[in-house]
Amino acid sequence: AQSVAQPEDQVNVAEGNPLTVKCTYSVSGNPYLFWYVQYPNRGLQFLLKYITGDNLVKGSYGFEAEFNKSQTSFHLKKPSALVSDSALYFCAVRGGYSTLTFGKGTMLLVSP
Amino acid sequence: NAGVTQTPKFQVLKTGQSMTLQCAQDMNHEYMSWYRQDPGMGLRLIHYSVGAGITDQGEVPNGYNVSRSTTEDFPLRLLSAAPSQTSVYFCASSYSRKFGSYNSPLHFGNGTRLTVT
Repeated sequence: AQSVAQPEDQVNVAEGNPLTVKCTYSVSGNPYLFWYVQYPNRGLQFLLKYITGDNLVKGSYGFEAEFNKSQTSFHLKKPSALVSDSALYFCAVRGGYSTLTFGKGTMLLVSP
Repeated sequence: NAGVTQTPKFQVLKTGQSMTLQCAQDMNHEYMSWYRQDPGMGLRLIHYSVGAGITDQGEVPNGYNVSRSTTEDFPLRLLSAAPSQTSVYFCASSYSRKFGSYNSPLHFGNGTRLTVT
C-alpha cells in the first residue's frame, strides 16, 4: 500500500529565508506526487504535482518541489518565504487508480 | 463558478442521531470523494465515486454511506452518529479519476465541522 511521511509537525522560518518542507513516499510503480496547502477554516488548495519529466517542479505562489527517486522524496521549497505562506502543507501520493493518500501535514510558520 | 459546495458548515449531533452532509460541484467532474481530517492524522479517505451510480470504499468507510445519483451531488450519510465521528469532513472532486494524467487535481470544499456529543 502507498504511504506518505512528513517527518516535521512544524517548520519555522524567518521571512525572506528559504524554506523546505519534507516529504518521503512509498508506492509501487511510478509515483504521482502532489503538494496541497490549507489555510485556516478552508479546504485544501493544489500547489503542484510531479507526474513525470523534470525533477524540479514549479507550482503556484513561487513554490517548487524536488523529486528524488533514489531517496523517495518530494520536498517542497521556496527561495524566499513570506509571512502569508504560513499554513498547513500536505504531501500526497496517488495510490490506487482512484485514490490519493495524504501525509499528516506540516505546519509552516513564517515569522516577520 | 462555485466549485465544490459543502453544507452545512457546522453541525452538532447527539450520539445515535443521523444526518447527511451535502456536497455539490458545478464543474462536471467525474470523480468525487469524502475525506475526514483529524489532528495528527492528516486526511483519510472515507468513500469515493468515479461516476454517477458508482461508489467505492476508502480507508475508513465504517459508519458512513454514500450514493451518487447525479454527476453533481455526492452526499455522505451518518446513520447513527458516534463521538468517534467528530471531525472535519471535506468533499473533493476531480475532472478525472486519473488525477494528474489529465491535469486534474482535487478541488476541495471548505469543509463541514461535525461534533458528536
